[in-house]
Amino acid sequence: EAGVAQSPRYKIIEKRQSVAFWCNPISGHATLYWYQQILGQGPKLLIQFQNNGVVDDSQLPKDRFSAERLKGVDSTLKIQPAKLEDSAVYLCASELSRTGGETQYFGPGTRLLVL
Amino acid sequence: GNSVTQMEGPVTLSEEAFLTINCTYTATGYPSLFWYVQYPGEGLQLLLKATKADDKGSNKGFEATYRKETTSFHLEKGSVQVSDSAVYFCALRNSGGSNYKLTFGKGTLLTVNP
Repeated sequence: EAGVAQSPRYKIIEKRQSVAFWCNPISGHATLYWYQQILGQGPKLLIQFQNNGVVDDSQLPKDRFSAERLKGVDSTLKIQPAKLEDSAVYLCASELSRTGGETQYFGPGTRLLVL
Repeated sequence: GNSVTQMEGPVTLSEEAFLTINCTYTATGYPSLFWYVQYPGEGLQLLLKATKADDKGSNKGFEATYRKETTSFHLEKGSVQVSDSAVYFCALRNSGGSNYKLTFGKGTLLTVNP
């Protein structure tokens, strides 16, 4: 079974530029998460989707971050414009159950450096 | 709100030494508890979990027991190997409702020397 795929693996941009990350969850997984992991810290949830609907985006900086999950499968996370403090690893995770309580499977992450 | 506090690293051990990484939590209700591991250059992998008080999770020689009275979930291994070198994250998630996000600790870097 293929795991969670993410691309790109690395990205370097200058502040005020835009960037987008892509995630392909495990086939059939209803729930998808985006986490931000700043160096030296644990991952922090940005947004949770159930199929193509948003369950929790309370910690997403909506003035610059946006995310969508078209057709309840792939998802993209965008930052526009980027700030220096957005430098982090962006992790995508997916989960089978529509009711939660299952195991979250993580992708390898996209490492973003904002200069 | 929910929070997880885990032992600060880095932790450096010799091969075959005993490992303990402490983890305590604050949460409402009865959360599930997890240990995730992140090997160099890889994504997070679930190491073990426990879903109710007194449950013991185990995998690959690692163990952790859900202690509700002390709100703890300490990770232990009797004899570490060089291949165990990684960052270990303690995490919790609430049960019930529709929000199943994980709340993570800051992570503990373990280095095992031959």
